[in-house]
Amino acid sequence: GAVVSQHPSRVICKSGTSVKIECRSLDFQATTMFWYRQFPKKSLMLMATSNEGSKATYEQGVEKDKFLINHASLTLSTLTVTSAHPEDSSFYICSARDFQGSYEQYFGPGTRLTVT
Amino acid sequence: AQSVTQLDSQVPVFEEAPVELRCNYSSSVSVYLFWYVQYPNQGLQLLLKYLSGSTLVKGINGFEAEFNKSQTSFHLRKPSVHISDTAEYFCAVDRGGSNYKLTFGKGTLLTVNP
Repeated sequence: GAVVSQHPSRVICKSGTSVKIECRSLDFQATTMFWYRQFPKKSLMLMATSNEGSKATYEQGVEKDKFLINHASLTLSTLTVTSAHPEDSSFYICSARDFQGSYEQYFGPGTRLTVT
Repeated sequence: AQSVTQLDSQVPVFEEAPVELRCNYSSSVSVYLFWYVQYPNQGLQLLLKYLSGSTLVKGINGFEAEFNKSQTSFHLRKPSVHISDTAEYFCAVDRGGSNYKLTFGKGTLLTVNP
């Protein structure tokens, strides 16, 4: 089946530093990838939609300069949290749609970011 | 705009009992409906989906859901739960289009007790 990986699974960084999270589709090509943020005991909040070779589309209220998204290939999208602050601590999950246009999104295992 | 309401934030049940997790949606257009399960500190796994056709959808792990257009509901059911079914369950709606964005409900924590 379709597998999406994320790296790292956990990361701890100091306030003011930047952190990059990778999302890879392992056995399919993903024209579209999505980045979500999940707060404790809360639902998933869509941050942005990433299309290969074009700029990401951010949801209202999400700072594009703080959360940099790059979708350089059909199998890789990255989310960089710039100048991280403790309030950016969260669980970040990516998902991907396959090239064939399936309505299903395949989710990665998530990345736990802790900013100290 | 579309929205998803999961009426119960927590559902405790005993092992081998039946369970129903409720989901209602609102949308002005036809939608696609999904149920996902999330185990602690993990991503989401698709349980089942409704795209079209039969309104009764069967998924993995013995779960099923019924799409009711008149009541705008997509309730998830399982006739007999196991301890291992303890997890967070999310209902989601996707109205299609070029980006296929999912809108999630707030989740229901199913706790199966021995």
